[in-house]
Amino acid sequence: SAVISQKPSRDICQRGTSLTIQCQVDSQVTMMFWYRQQPGQSLTLIATANQGSEATYESGFVIDKFPISRPNLTFSTLTVSNMSPEDSSIYLCTIKGPLGGYTFGSGTRLTVV
Amino acid sequence: DAKTTQPNSMESNEEEPVHLPCNHSTISGTDYIHWYRQLPSQGPEYVIHGLTSNVNNRMASLAIAEDRKSSTLILHRATLRDAAVYYCILRDVYSGGGADGLTFGKGTHLIIQP
Repeated sequence: SAVISQKPSRDICQRGTSLTIQCQVDSQVTMMFWYRQQPGQSLTLIATANQGSEATYESGFVIDKFPISRPNLTFSTLTVSNMSPEDSSIYLCTIKGPLGGYTFGSGTRLTVV
Repeated sequence: DAKTTQPNSMESNEEEPVHLPCNHSTISGTDYIHWYRQLPSQGPEYVIHGLTSNVNNRMASLAIAEDRKSSTLILHRATLRDAAVYYCILRDVYSGGGADGLTFGKGTHLIIQP
């Protein structure tokens, strides 16, 4: 199965700043997604990263807060903008494989202080 | 996607089989049943998925009820490394475009006693 590299693995950021998380896949994939996991909670889908077009956001998530890029079929970035302590979460990149299973990155653990 | 119901937590002993139940009474005919697990401090990992027939792989078995309103993930011989949160998720085979991500519930926290 495809291998996902996600950077950074963790970061501590000041409120009001922005952090860009990178997701690199070792093969071309059609479907890439970004999830958030708040402390002690389950995973919530933020958006689908579409190659060559704007991302498709889930209810409660907006492009101004979570801009996403997908320049090609192996790479995507998620930016968490104007951060507040409520944005402290684990952010995960995910791909859908050809046989229907999903592969998750190891996540970026973000702490906003 | 149709909703699933799982127990909040289960406990089992090491080297014994574990049966993790999932109810999905509103499942549609085109919903696949997916299982993922999340080990502590890691992203979720794929375990198994199926549509109608029982499925086996190196990690687990998936037993699907004849009416498909419930399913059971079977770990044949639990080890301490199997302690994780297990998620049962339904996924419509015809979903596409922006609605193709997985929807996670709260899952079952599996505790393995040595």
